[in-house]
Amino acid sequence: DAGVTQSPTHLIKTRGQHVTLRCSPISGHKSVSWYQQVLGQGPQFIFQYYEKEERGRGNFPDRFSARQFPNYSSELNVNALLLGDSALYLCASSSAFVWYVYEQYFGPGTRLTVT
Amino acid sequence: GENVEQHPSTLSVQEGDSAVIKCTYSDSASNYFPWYKQELGKRPQLIIDIRSNVGEKKDQRIAVTLNKTAKHFSLHITETQPEDSAVYFCAAGFSNTGKLIFGQGTTLQVKP
Repeated sequence: DAGVTQSPTHLIKTRGQHVTLRCSPISGHKSVSWYQQVLGQGPQFIFQYYEKEERGRGNFPDRFSARQFPNYSSELNVNALLLGDSALYLCASSSAFVWYVYEQYFGPGTRLTVT
Repeated sequence: GENVEQHPSTLSVQEGDSAVIKCTYSDSASNYFPWYKQELGKRPQLIIDIRSNVGEKKDQRIAVTLNKTAKHFSLHITETQPEDSAVYFCAAGFSNTGKLIFGQGTTLQVKP
C-alpha cells in the first residue's frame, strides 16, 4: 500500500536557479496540496489542486507555480530561488474534493537547500 | 487574517500523565480541525481530526474537543508513553480551498 511519494529527497540549488519538485498521491486520490515547512515552524499552505485545476493558493509570490497531471501527480516549480526558500516542501494528497473538507496525508517531503 | 495560535510551545510530562495542547483560530469560516504528529526528520502524520458539527471526538488515548463559539480546540493525550514524544501541530481547514492553516507546533517530551 503505497503512500504519498515525493522526489527528489534532497536538493541543493544556488540562488537564482529554478527547481522542480514532484509528488505522486495515494492511489485513488485526486487532490494534491503543497506546503512549505521552514525548520521549527508549522507547514505553510502554497497550493491545492483537484482534477488538474488550482482550487486554492496561499500567500506565496508568483515565483511559485504548480500543476497537476492527468494521472493526478503534481509538480511544484520555484523560479529565481532565494536563500529564504530553503525549507522542507511537503506534498499532501486527499481522496475527494467536495464542499466539506477532507483528510490530507503527507509525503516524506523534499529538503531544498539554497546556497 | 487567517491565524492559528498554539500553546504551549513545549510540554514535558511524566510517563502515564496526561498532556493537553490548545489552539485558537481566527477565521470563523474554518470547519475542519486536524492534528498532526511529526517525529524528527519524518512527515507529519494525521492522528485525529474533528469537524465543525462535532464537539468532541475520541480515539483510544487521544481526544479532541472543539468550542466553535470561542474558536478554541484542544488535543488531550491520556496515559502518555515515551513514544508519544514528538512535535504536535494543530491546523484549521477551509472547505472551499482545502487550505490548512497550521499552528506553530508543540514539542512534547514524555519522560520514562
